[in-house]
This record gives sequence, structure tokens and C-alpha cells, in this order.
Amino acid sequence: EVQLVESGGGLVKPGGSLRLSCAASGFTFSSYSMNWVRQAPGKGLEWVSSISSSSSYIYYADSVKGRFTISRDNAKNSLYLQMNSLRAEDTAVYYCARDPGGIVATIPHFDYWGQGTLVTVSS
Amino acid sequence: DIQMTQSPSSLSASVGDRVTITCRASQSISSYLNWYQQKPGKAPKLLIYAASSLQSGVPSRFSGSGSGTDFTLTISSLQPEDFATYYCQQSYSTPPVTFGQGTRLEIK
Repeated sequence: EVQLVESGGGLVKPGGSLRLSCAASGFTFSSYSMNWVRQAPGKGLEWVSSISSSSSYIYYADSVKGRFTISRDNAKNSLYLQMNSLRAEDTAVYYCARDPGGIVATIPHFDYWGQGTLVTVSS
Repeated sequence: DIQMTQSPSSLSASVGDRVTITCRASQSISSYLNWYQQKPGKAPKLLIYAASSLQSGVPSRFSGSGSGTDFTLTISSLQPEDFATYYCQQSYSTPPVTFGQGTRLEIK
């Protein structure tokens, strides 16, 4: 069974840092691109960042570029999001999501999602 | 960036109704369109990918169609568990992946 479990969320002051983790199991993690998607309270979904299977390709939303860093450790089946210089507008539930697009020869899409971890940026 | 616009933003319907949600892209995205369902407090769930391919395990009452700029998600006969928020997502021109603003489907 595919499982994605996020952790590391919490309350942080503006300007602070936080590192999110996503532990993957039930599939060959090293074969899949992975993503972070966030959802502010009562709002819609916003893609944050993506990383290819071997970390060769990394992309960020303009809203987090220069402040957030995505990484992965395929030996540990884990995805990370280092968040620095946090702002109030970064407050959201952060989801990790798997993209099988390169595996099943179809378009990019997110077929499995974690349960999310809440990040609250407030003084 | 490609903008995705869903309509309606909210919709009231009854169990057994046929429901259609529309998603329009600001430019052509071929068939690079996915649909997700989200229930309160839960993660989104993939329903349809590549505009019309049904994700494994998703009931056949869900279907998707369209290409270019205009897409639809249809639920042929609403069930109680279908009341949720639905999002479209384009993955044609990335980054960034972009989502529609969501359509909230409520019980009438």
C-alpha cells in the first residue's frame, strides 16, 4: 500500500525556519517525481515545488523561490522541504504528492497524497 | 502562467442528479488536465487524469472530457459521498502546475 506521511509542521514566528519531511512507503520511491502542494486555511490548492526522481530537475513556485528548498533522500525514502524566511502568507497545510507521469507514460498528475502537515506562521 | 477557471464556484444538487463542472484554461493545454476531489479535512484524491482517464478505484459515475481550453467533469448520478470540493489542474506548461479555484458541491 502506498503511503506518504508528512511531519515537521508547527507554529513558527515570521522570519523563522521549518523543515518538513515526507516519509514514503509501499512503492519504489527512487523512481518517482515528488511534489509539495499547500492549502491555506479555507483556500484552494497551490503547487509549491517539485523534484525529479534523481533530483536532476527542481522547480519552485515564484511565491517561495529563494526561500524554500526541496530535496530528497532516496536511500531513506524521504522527501523534504526546507522553509526559511517564513511569512504569514505561508500559513497552510502542506501536502506531499507523488507524480507517476514519468512511470506510466502519461501526463504529470498527483496520484497519491499524504495527510498533510499544518504550518502556522504567526508572532 | 496558465490560469484555470472553474464554473460554477459552488453548486447545490440532490442525490441521483447528474452534475457537470466546467474548467477553462487561459490557453490551450491539449489534454493535460486532471481532476481531484477533496473532502473537508482530507487530502485531495485523484479522480481523472489526462482529461478523460479514470483513476484506478474511482467509480465509473465519474467521467471527464474536453481538450484544448474547455473541459468538463461529470458525475452521472450523485451519491451522498460525492459532496465535496472539486479541483481541476493543468500540467501542460510547467512550472508552475496550476489549479482551478475549486467547485464546492453541496447537498440541496
